[in-house]
Amino acid sequence: EAGVAQSPRYKIIEKRQSVAFWCNPISGHATLYWYQQILGQGPKLLIQFQNNGVVDDSQLPKDRFSAERLKGVDSTLKIQPAKLEDSAVYLCASSLLGGDTQYFGPGTRLTVL
Amino acid sequence: AQRVTQPEKLLSVFKGAPVELKCNYSYSGSPELFWYVQYSRQRLQLLLRHISRESIKGFTADLNKGETSFHLKKPFAQEEDSAMYYCALSTVSGSARQLTFGSGTQLTVLP
Repeated sequence: EAGVAQSPRYKIIEKRQSVAFWCNPISGHATLYWYQQILGQGPKLLIQFQNNGVVDDSQLPKDRFSAERLKGVDSTLKIQPAKLEDSAVYLCASSLLGGDTQYFGPGTRLTVL
Repeated sequence: AQRVTQPEKLLSVFKGAPVELKCNYSYSGSPELFWYVQYSRQRLQLLLRHISRESIKGFTADLNKGETSFHLKKPFAQEEDSAMYYCALSTVSGSARQLTFGSGTQLTVLP
């Protein structure tokens, strides 16, 4: 089966610009996650969806980050405006509803100058 | 709040030597623990889960609730084991199952 797809793979922007990332989960996976992984750290959960509803966004900086999952399939994560400290790899993962195994995409490496 | 600590950022061993990657956790509930691995230029993927008590690629990990640890072990390391290893704690809050990751250990197996 096809894995989790993400695009773009790399993005370089200047601070105060906006950026969007896209994720297509594994077919049939109801749960979708966005993680932020800063260099030298483990992934940190930003937001979790079940189908098209948010179940946890407690660690999402809502003043600048937003995410949506229209129709319960693809998802987009947006940063507006970006700050230098947003430089990181943004990982998307998906799982079956209630499943304990998460399947990760290749990530998007964001550099904010 | 839950926390996962991996005290070693870097670990080098020689091929054929035993290897142990340390993981300690802090959680007031009943823990579910996992090891994820990321090989060079590959995606992060599940290696093993404590509840299965399985051995994957020769690796095992035992949950020690007394010491709040979940160390990953392999008796004879191979060069292909070189990778980044993350310990993760799974918790459930309402309808959400979440993973809290440690900061990872980069394992290098020398020839």
